[in-house]
Amino acid sequence: QSALTQPASVSGSPGQSITISCAGARSVFGNYDLVSWYQQHPGRAPRLLIYEGIKRPSGVSDRFTGSRPGNTASLTISGLQSEDEADYYCCSFTSRNIWVFGGGTRLTVL
Amino acid sequence: EVQLVQSGAEMKKAGESLKISCKGSPNSFTRHWIGWVRQMPGKGLEWMGVIYPDDSDTRYSPSFQGQVTISADKSLTTAYLQWSSLKASDSAMYYCATPRDSDSSGPFDYWGLGTRVTVSS
Repeated sequence: QSALTQPASVSGSPGQSITISCAGARSVFGNYDLVSWYQQHPGRAPRLLIYEGIKRPSGVSDRFTGSRPGNTASLTISGLQSEDEADYYCCSFTSRNIWVFGGGTRLTVL
Repeated sequence: EVQLVQSGAEMKKAGESLKISCKGSPNSFTRHWIGWVRQMPGKGLEWMGVIYPDDSDTRYSPSFQGQVTISADKSLTTAYLQWSSLKASDSAMYYCATPRDSDSSGPFDYWGLGTRVTVSS
């Protein structure tokens, strides 16, 4: 069981928006500014979507938005598309100077 | 563009040793942290540990401390993940990955394609 808690699954219809949460104790999160999000399609390596909570690497669509409300982190995907169907993982740098992944969330586009 | 080239799939028996590799780009390898991530079949990502090849500073997740050894050879620009005695539960896909920035151990911007390890009991 991961120290970062994500919903096991979320779903949405094309064009809709969905939000995936990532909750953890302050001792795990360490620095909320260092939360990142990854997308993984079946059989593929993960891909970095968001880093430092809110920043997007070059080439990542602006439909992906990270936020840090309170003691959680969130990933919002707007304008859902079929190719967004994948697994999503949050990841945080912890007070132990190591990183930890959330358990992952399976996104289904209806 | 950073490229990480991982070694091929391995099929081993329980109790055997194994070392898998991840070759990085020569111009960035030494001064970028490089890490390993496990993904067991049908399961999520697990951060295992990272190494800074320039001085071999290594950090492990408590879950993997003592279970695996992470090392690097600067001259070969290659990082390694090693087991001394495999267990069936070590069967998984193992990814190496590295951040874009040289002053941080993460997040991981660049990923290898993965090495599948299958251990039979």
